[in-house]
Amino acid sequence: NAGVMQNPRHLVRRRGQEARLRCSPMKGHSHVYWYRQLPEEGLKFMVYLQKENIIDESGMPKERFSAEFPKEGPSILRIQQVVRGDSAAYFCASSPPSGPTYEQYFGPGTRLTVT
Amino acid sequence: SQQGEEDPQALSIQEGENATMNCSYKTSINNLQWYRQNSGRGLVHLILIRSNEREKHSGRLRVTLDTSKKSSSLLITASRAADTASYFCATEHSGAGSYQLTFGKGTKLSVIP
Repeated sequence: NAGVMQNPRHLVRRRGQEARLRCSPMKGHSHVYWYRQLPEEGLKFMVYLQKENIIDESGMPKERFSAEFPKEGPSILRIQQVVRGDSAAYFCASSPPSGPTYEQYFGPGTRLTVT
Repeated sequence: SQQGEEDPQALSIQEGENATMNCSYKTSINNLQWYRQNSGRGLVHLILIRSNEREKHSGRLRVTLDTSKKSSSLLITASRAADTASYFCATEHSGAGSYQLTFGKGTKLSVIP
């Protein structure tokens, strides 16, 4: 059973370009979470999605950031018109459709560098 | 105020010694989890302790939870050079938005061979 997969692992974008980060959850997992980690910091929650639904996006910046988890295919975190402050590691996690207490399984992350 | 703050920020020990890291939090939780992150890599889940549990073991790891003090500790016994990493506690707080994990800034552990 493959773990959570993220790609690309490293992404370099110039200011003003768009960044698209992909996350495939573990098999059988229907809940996806995105976190951002700035250098020397812990992870900060961004958004929680289930298939075709955004459940909680309270941690997402109001502008330029969006996320989706379509019926088919991976979850996508999209950052439009990137700025240097968007440089960070972005982690995706998934969990099975059970609760209320469960583990979140993390992917290896995508390291975004904005030049 | 930050949920899940680890202490110390950095810890350096000799191989074979024990390493203890602490985590404090501020609001009620469903569970507390410890993760390890090697430099530039993803997170590895170590152990989860539920709010009604006081102590849990996994191999060389021992985690305690004191909900009255809102604190947890992670003990790594007989440390190895391969234990060198950053260790994060993450809390799943109870109530609305309970699925969110709130991470601290981590403890950087260096185990010197």
